[in-house]
Amino acid sequence: ETAVFQTPNYHVTQVGNEVSFNCKQTLGHDTMYWYKQDSKKLLKIMFSYNNKQLIVNETVPRRFSPQSSDKAHLNLRIKSVEPEDSAVYLCASSPGLQDTQYFGPGTRLLVL
Amino acid sequence: QQKVQQSPESLIVPEGGMASLNCTSSDRNVDYFWWYRQHSGKSPKMLMSIFSNGEKEEGRFTVHLNKASLHTSLHIRDSQPSDSALYLCAARMSNYNVLYFGSGTKLTVEP
Repeated sequence: ETAVFQTPNYHVTQVGNEVSFNCKQTLGHDTMYWYKQDSKKLLKIMFSYNNKQLIVNETVPRRFSPQSSDKAHLNLRIKSVEPEDSAVYLCASSPGLQDTQYFGPGTRLLVL
Repeated sequence: QQKVQQSPESLIVPEGGMASLNCTSSDRNVDYFWWYRQHSGKSPKMLMSIFSNGEKEEGRFTVHLNKASLHTSLHIRDSQPSDSALYLCAARMSNYNVLYFGSGTKLTVEP
């Protein structure tokens, strides 16, 4: 099956902990993205990676960092989570920078 | 300020009716629009994209674009209960190669 896969589906953690989310795409795309979708359903770009190069970082707090081993994988690490980090984190990929993006199922994070 | 605005925030139409959703960008660097549909608890799925002035039709879905006013609209005819979802408009800024999303229109199709 060709798609964008994310793990875990859901994660609950305490303030100050570190979390990591995984994303893998089997679509053969060159570009991958991380988005944050808040409680009002607003989708905001966090990072994009094209051929392992970070291209966009939209004023994201330093505690967030993307990690990529190859063009099919883009993980997201959050050091010392805060309550406002509670959201759904969506991974996406596209053939190139200007192409349609395909989304994974998302990881819902709840910070207590 | 959000670069992409959508209206209405929510919309209720009867089954078989026409749903019309609007999207406008405030940034003149926009060169491409996408419409995504997100069912509750699911990820956004691309419906249609448009970059040329005019109209594009695919089945029950029609999208219009007016580049001068940076306004796009999505029209769903013969709406079905399965069309009930959050509809997201995304605009690409040519100078940044970044997609900006609107906050969506929640469509409910009542049987």
